[in-house]
Amino acid sequence: KAGVTQTPRYLIKTRGQQVTLSCSPISGHRSVSWYQQTPGQGLQFLFEYFSETQRNKGNFPGRFSGRQFSNSRSEMNVSTLELGDSALYLCASSPGQGRADTQYFGPGTRLTVL
Amino acid sequence: TQLLEQSPQFLSIQEGENLTVYCNSSSVFSSLQWYRQEPGEGPVLLVTVVTGGEVKKLKRLTFQFGDARKDSSLHITAAQPGDTGLYLCAGASDTGNQFYFGTGTSLTVIP
Repeated sequence: KAGVTQTPRYLIKTRGQQVTLSCSPISGHRSVSWYQQTPGQGLQFLFEYFSETQRNKGNFPGRFSGRQFSNSRSEMNVSTLELGDSALYLCASSPGQGRADTQYFGPGTRLTVL
Repeated sequence: TQLLEQSPQFLSIQEGENLTVYCNSSSVFSSLQWYRQEPGEGPVLLVTVVTGGEVKKLKRLTFQFGDARKDSSLHITAAQPGDTGLYLCAGASDTGNQFYFGTGTSLTVIP
């Protein structure tokens, strides 16, 4: 069974631009969560989706948004990029309904904002 | 303020040594997980503990959930270079609606 895939793996953007990251969960998994990982803040929860519905949202500004499609694939969008948005963005899928279930992480998208 | 504090933050040891990583909180968790993350990869789940006082062993790794379900420890016996990585604990609230990752422990095992 294929693992969680994230595209692109690396991305370089400039301040003020917007970016869309994509995540394909493991086949059959309907729960997808997104995290931001930085050396200073560690792993910070962004949002969680289950069956196309956002179930939980972390403490991030409205510039961060996401959605989930009917095939469980998910995208997250960051608008008006800031230098501080440079991070590794991780997506995780779960066979159950929430993050407390076993999460399977993708390799992440490394975003650099110049 | 991080809900789950891990210590130490960094650890560099020689191959063959033993080590313990701690994950502490003032909150009660219904379950606690440990993940290991290698450079360039996402975290990989090692174990889930759900019962206070529970001890689980995974080869040379021993995981313990505190009696009060507020803390956990990871003990590695005879560390090997392949154990190098970032170790993360993560806890689920009693309601299951909230899930928190710890601050992380970066382990380097020197051959």
